[in-house]
Amino acid sequence: ETGVTQTPRHLVMGMTNKKSLKCEQHLGHNAMYWYKQSAKKPLELMFVYNFKEQTENNSVPSRFSPECPNSSHLFLHLHTLQPEDSALYLCASSQALTSENEQYFGPGTRLTVT
Amino acid sequence: GENVEQHPSTLSVQEGDSAVIKCTYSDSASNYFPWYKQELGKRPQLIIDIRSNVGEKKDQRIAVTLNKTAKHFSLHITETQPEDSAVYFCAAGGGGSYIPTFGRGTSLIVHP
Repeated sequence: ETGVTQTPRHLVMGMTNKKSLKCEQHLGHNAMYWYKQSAKKPLELMFVYNFKEQTENNSVPSRFSPECPNSSHLFLHLHTLQPEDSALYLCASSQALTSENEQYFGPGTRLTVT
Repeated sequence: GENVEQHPSTLSVQEGDSAVIKCTYSDSASNYFPWYKQELGKRPQLIIDIRSNVGEKKDQRIAVTLNKTAKHFSLHITETQPEDSAVYFCAAGGGGSYIPTFGRGTSLIVHP
């Protein structure tokens, strides 16, 4: 459908589990982002990567660990999560790391922490 | 840093009516103002954007206006249809930050 894919689309995990979210973009973009979207809250920027280098960590707890092996792939490793971490996790990419570029979002991973 | 306020948080209209969503921003250096639409269960997608060198931009039934002096911009949807029902996010970019700042979103409900 679009150039940004995310897997899995849905994930249920216990607080002691370890899981990873995957994002892939086929648009040739250089910047990639992780956002958290909770009900009744604005989009929360979590991490930003530019040319696979992390440029922003928006005070995210260490139980979320990002990885960007190349400009096309982005992972979010999860461990020891809390129920309040349940949310929709959106990956996005943009041509360049500038706030004047369109952000292309993936379909998101609906995460439920039990 | 930039601060974007968006109102209202919820907007309910009858099919055929117009809908207006308003945003204000704080960084006078911002010069790029996109609007994203997120339908239920789907990803946010850019529907229209405006840059500070223009005051208004239209695309069929949607239009965006920008008042740089007052630091506010608005999304106007005319002849609303049920498929316009979604959450709409405004954003501001091009100022001091290299990442756009999003508003909190407006849930638009169009009743048939």
